[in-house]
Amino acid sequence: ETGVTQTPRHLVMGMTNKKSLKCEQHLGHNAMYWYKQSAKKPLELMFVYSLEERVENNSVPSRFSPECPNSSHLFLHLHTLQPEDSALYLCASSLTGGDQPQHFGDGTRLSIL
Amino acid sequence: QKEVEQDPGPLSVPEGAIVSLNCTYSNSAFQYFMWYRQYSRKGPELLMYTYSSGNKEDGRFTAQVDKSSKYISLFIRDSQPSDSATYLCAMSLNTDKLIFGTGTRLQVFP
Repeated sequence: ETGVTQTPRHLVMGMTNKKSLKCEQHLGHNAMYWYKQSAKKPLELMFVYSLEERVENNSVPSRFSPECPNSSHLFLHLHTLQPEDSALYLCASSLTGGDQPQHFGDGTRLSIL
Repeated sequence: QKEVEQDPGPLSVPEGAIVSLNCTYSNSAFQYFMWYRQYSRKGPELLMYTYSSGNKEDGRFTAQVDKSSKYISLFIRDSQPSDSATYLCAMSLNTDKLIFGTGTRLQVFP
């Protein structure tokens, strides 16, 4: 049990579908993050939320749309994705952000047909 | 040049061996250094977290930071088959943005 729960664990979708990834943290943290992990590449930071406000959007295409309704929940809404978007999407959280260590969930493995 | 360089491996060692995993980096302003372990089909798990230079020990794991050489290491003593995983180094300035290496795959065989 990591304290950061992601659902679904696996998702297969067509390029025209709309789906959402969900992340919930049970650690009392107030910063949350979305990362993309592709084979043979470093983890790429996509979005940062601190106290439910987006503080960073790391040049992510608009087909990815994050939502943070409260400090425990984070969503990533997906629409009209491309095959190159197939990857492991990881959620992380930390206490206050900044220099605090980040704790990760087990990710959603996304495959785009 | 990548900000963080890490040999992808795989590194294959016998049980009981001492393992040395390393990363080099280019930005001398990095202050926080982390090692994560990632098992197959799992997310990264924080192993070690250090600030600035020096050593930090936790059980069989020792993290070492040499800021003058821009080099960090993770040593695993008495390695076990359960240590077989991918090890990711990460570092940051005093911000939310972690810069990761590509990971080193370690295999410990009985």
